Amino acid sequence: DSGVTQTPKHLITATGQRVTLRCSPRSGDLSVYWYQQSLDQGLQFLIQYYNGEERAKGNILERFSAQQFPDLHSELNLSSLELGDSALYFCASSVVSGRGTEQFFGPGTRLTVL
Amino acid sequence: GDSVTQMEGPVTLSEEAFLTINCTYTATGYPSLFWYVQYPGEGLQLLLKATKADDKGSNKGFEATYRKETTSFHLEKGSVQVSDSAVYFCALSDPTGANNLFFGTGTRLTVIP
Repeated sequence: DSGVTQTPKHLITATGQRVTLRCSPRSGDLSVYWYQQSLDQGLQFLIQYYNGEERAKGNILERFSAQQFPDLHSELNLSSLELGDSALYFCASSVVSGRGTEQFFGPGTRLTVL
Repeated sequence: GDSVTQMEGPVTLSEEAFLTINCTYTATGYPSLFWYVQYPGEGLQLLLKATKADDKGSNKGFEATYRKETTSFHLEKGSVQVSDSAVYFCALSDPTGANNLFFGTGTRLTVIP
């Protein structure tokens, strides 16, 4: 158990809908990262927050957004869902944001868009 | 841009065989390098890491050396066990300092008794 929790574990929804994925980092970790794992794209970095502020952005679609709240939990919002958004979404956390800092991954949320 | 090229799988080995999974990278600057492991139905776990050239990361019998001259970080284990069956990901962290990870495609390892 990494100490990072993600809810829900599974999510099934329809095209065009909007969903919210939630992540609680390890106690004391200030940095949260979101990754998408899909069969065709592999594991891709989406976005990072550090202590409530956006720190880095990867291949995140404009339909997707995220935020980190004062209690440090984070939410990833996916809207106007398409079939291709079906994937495993991982959250990770680290104490700081520095180079080489270990990231601890949650178990993931499996999103299925029908 | 920054990227990781990882040996294609799947790899099937007998117990106690020697394991090598190749990983090479392309990056501007000096990234940190990682191997993560994903067991079935679980998230990724850090296996080992190296933050500068010639560093050797090691854990649970696995080793990898950061080779700047060949831009490689190959994973090795002298004697694999059935419990090592998993998917292994090579990754590098953004050398600009943001620490987000770039992953390889993953290599599925199956160890048979």
